[in-house]
Amino acid sequence: DAGVTQSPTHLIKTRGQHVTLRCSPISGHKSVSWYQQVLGQGPQFIFQYYEKEERGRGNFPDRFSARQFPNYSSELNVNALLLGDSALYLCASSRGPVGWNTEAFFGQGTRLTVV
Amino acid sequence: GQQVMQIPQYQHVQEGEDFTTYCNSSTTLSNIQWYKQRPGGHPVFLIQLVKSGEVKKQKRLTFQFGEAKKNSSLHITATQTTDVGTYFCAGITDSWGKLQFGAGTQVVVTP
Repeated sequence: DAGVTQSPTHLIKTRGQHVTLRCSPISGHKSVSWYQQVLGQGPQFIFQYYEKEERGRGNFPDRFSARQFPNYSSELNVNALLLGDSALYLCASSRGPVGWNTEAFFGQGTRLTVV
Repeated sequence: GQQVMQIPQYQHVQEGEDFTTYCNSSTTLSNIQWYKQRPGGHPVFLIQLVKSGEVKKQKRLTFQFGEAKKNSSLHITATQTTDVGTYFCAGITDSWGKLQFGAGTQVVVTP
């Protein structure tokens, strides 16, 4: 079975631009979460989606938005990029919300560099 | 807000030695998960602890959840070079829970 797939793997953007990151969960998984990991730190929660509805939002500005599609894939959008948005963006797939005692499977991540 | 703290931040271990990494939450957790991230990789699930005082073992790894469900530990015996990586604890506080990650313990093993 395929694992969690994220695209692109690497991305370089200029300040002020917009970016869209994509995630395909494991087949049968209905929950997708997004995390931001800055070098040397633990992943920080951005969004959780379950059954195409937002089920949690972390402490990130409104420049960050996401959605989940009928096939359970997901997109993370970031507008008006700042240098501080440079990070590894991780997508996590799980059968249900993580709070339901299910483990999360992480994708390889998208390395975003803002210059 | 909820915070999850991990100590130590770095752990240099001689191959064959034991070590322990600790995780503390400012609030009571419903459960806690542990992940391992190899250099350049992504977090990989190791285990989940749910019950107060729970202890689980995976070969050389022993995980413990505190009685008050506010702290946890990971003990590795006879460290091997394959244990290199960063170990994260992640706490969950509600049923729709997000994973609240600690900053991780980066483990370096010296042969």
